[in-house]
Amino acid sequence: EAQVTQNPRYLITVTGKKLTVTCSQNMNHEYMSWYRQDPGLGLRQIYYSMNVEVTDKGDVPEGYKVSRKEKRNFPLILESPSPNQTSLYFCASRERTRATGELFFGEGSRLTVL
Amino acid sequence: AQTVTQSQPEMSVQEAETVTLSCTYDTSESDYYLFWYKQPPSRQMILVIRQEAYKQQNATENRFSVNFQKAAKSFSLKISDSQLGDAAMYFCASARGSQGNLIFGKGTKLSVKP
Repeated sequence: EAQVTQNPRYLITVTGKKLTVTCSQNMNHEYMSWYRQDPGLGLRQIYYSMNVEVTDKGDVPEGYKVSRKEKRNFPLILESPSPNQTSLYFCASRERTRATGELFFGEGSRLTVL
Repeated sequence: AQTVTQSQPEMSVQEAETVTLSCTYDTSESDYYLFWYKQPPSRQMILVIRQEAYKQQNATENRFSVNFQKAAKSFSLKISDSQLGDAAMYFCASARGSQGNLIFGKGTKLSVKP
């Protein structure tokens, strides 16, 4: 089954404790992206990657890091989480060659930073 | 900067009736794509419909159709014969730049009354 898998789905952590949200897709997609969703703000892009070892900032990259060492994986790293990073996070992927193709989303990761 | 505006934070419709969700966008690009995504309580992001800007014909997917007014930069979603399962948050989005990064509106929460 074609899917984007995120882990963990739910996480409560404390300020300053490094964490990683993993994202993996099994569709051989070149393009991957991270979004955060907050009430009243919709989805905002954090980072995206056009291919392995190619990453770029989205609209709200502050406080986040990403890496793309393998095509299927695109982890989101919060080096020192803060309460304003409490949010619902989505990973998504699509074929690179179809810049306007359908974006496939993971099921979301609910992160709470105390 | 490219923007997507959904002016209706919440809407309500009676089951079996028709409802229209509004979306306006601003882009300087000549060729672009527009999308409507549905997010039910499960949080999963589901593509509802996609419109290619160079196509004059409005996209249709079963009970879902769009009214695409290119000159007015308007992209509304019409849901006919509304069903209880249509209750969800709906996001309008446009693809930005050659990378095709999606810019989302803030969403419209649709309730369906039995």
